[in-house]
Formats: sequence, C-alpha cells, structure tokens
Amino acid sequence: EVQLVESGGGLVQPGGSLRLSCAASGFTFSSHWMHWVRQAPGKGLVWVLRISTDGSGTTYADSVKGRFTISRDNAKNTLYLQMNSLRAEDTAVYYCVRGIKGTSVAFDIWGQGTMVTVSS
Amino acid sequence: QSALTQPRSVSGSPGQSVTISCTGTSSDVGAYNYVSWYQQHPGKAPKFMIYDVSKRPSGVPDRFSGSKSGNTASLTISGLQAEDEADYYCHSYAGSYTFGVFGGGTKLTVL
Repeated sequence: EVQLVESGGGLVQPGGSLRLSCAASGFTFSSHWMHWVRQAPGKGLVWVLRISTDGSGTTYADSVKGRFTISRDNAKNTLYLQMNSLRAEDTAVYYCVRGIKGTSVAFDIWGQGTMVTVSS
Repeated sequence: QSALTQPRSVSGSPGQSVTISCTGTSSDVGAYNYVSWYQQHPGKAPKFMIYDVSKRPSGVPDRFSGSKSGNTASLTISGLQAEDEADYYCHSYAGSYTFGVFGGGTKLTVL
C-alpha cells in the first residue's frame, strides 16, 4: 500500500524549532518530488516547500524562506522538514505530499498530517 | 503569490450538477495546463481528484470533470451524491520559482 506517515508535530514556543519526518512506503520514493503543504485550523491549504527527487533542488514559499529547510534521505525513504524561528502563524496541520510522476504538476498521495502548534 | 479565487460555498440537491470556479491570473491558471483539484472531508487529508485541468486519476468517478477557459478553471460534479459534500480546493502551477498556489477552498453542501 502506498503510504506517507508524518511524525514529529507538537507544541513549541515562539522562536523555537521542530523537525518533522515523513516515512514513505509502497512506492519508489526516490522517483518523486516531495512537498509539504500546511493547513491552519479552519483555513485552506497552503503549499510550503518542495524538494527534487535527488534532493539537489528545493523551492520555498516566501513565508518560510530562511526559517524552514526541506531535505530527504532516499536510502531511508524519509522526508524531513526542519522548522526554525517558529511563529504563531506557523500553527497548522502539516501534510507530507507526493508529487505526481512525470511532467505534470499535482499532488497524488497525502499523509494523514501532523499538527504543529506554536504558542507560549 | 495570492491564493486563487474560489466561491466560499456552493450547494445542490442529490442528482443535480454543480460547478466550482477557480480564478487565477495569466501567471498561473492562464499560463499553464497544470490545474488540479482536491476533495477534503472534515478531519481528513485531501484526496486527489483532477489533474492537468481535466484528467481523472484512476478510481475517481467520471461524475467529476474539469475544464479551463482563460484564467478560470472549473470543477463540475454531476449526479450529486451525499458523499460529495466536502471542501474542494484547486491548485495551479505558477512557474519554477514560485511553484504554485491553492485556491481558498469551496464548501459543497448537498441539500
């Protein structure tokens, strides 16, 4: 079964750090771009970052540039999100998402999400 | 990058058809045929419904269809069923630097 399982969410104080992980299974992880998409409570989806198949290319939304870092370990089939200098507005469910294979742009597999709460 | 514009809510009766619009700009929806749609039930992760404007992934009923005209994409759901009640989000590619943007989401109510 194709699956993405996030972990690492929790409560953190403003200015703090958190590292999310996403374990992939059931597909060739190294063949897909991977993304993080977040959703604040009661709000819509927001794309945050993406990483290329080999980890050499990344793209960040302006709201997280300089604070968040996306990385991957293809040997471990795992995607990571290092979040530093966290702010209250970063509070959201963070979804690990698989990019569709090929030349198209879409998100075909979503994890169940992990909640990050930034509050004192 | 501003969010794509979707109606906050739409509604329809079982068996009817509804269309959800998704308006962007000439830099995103109007520039690329990479519009996708996602269905999200309360408390659940989004589900992939449409890609490349009008293509359906395997397993998605043909009651769901997509189209695009200029800077506006649309999702049409025909033969509405109770289980279609959910939030729907569009997404468009916007180039390699900004990558892409979601719409604000539309709540579909099946009356």
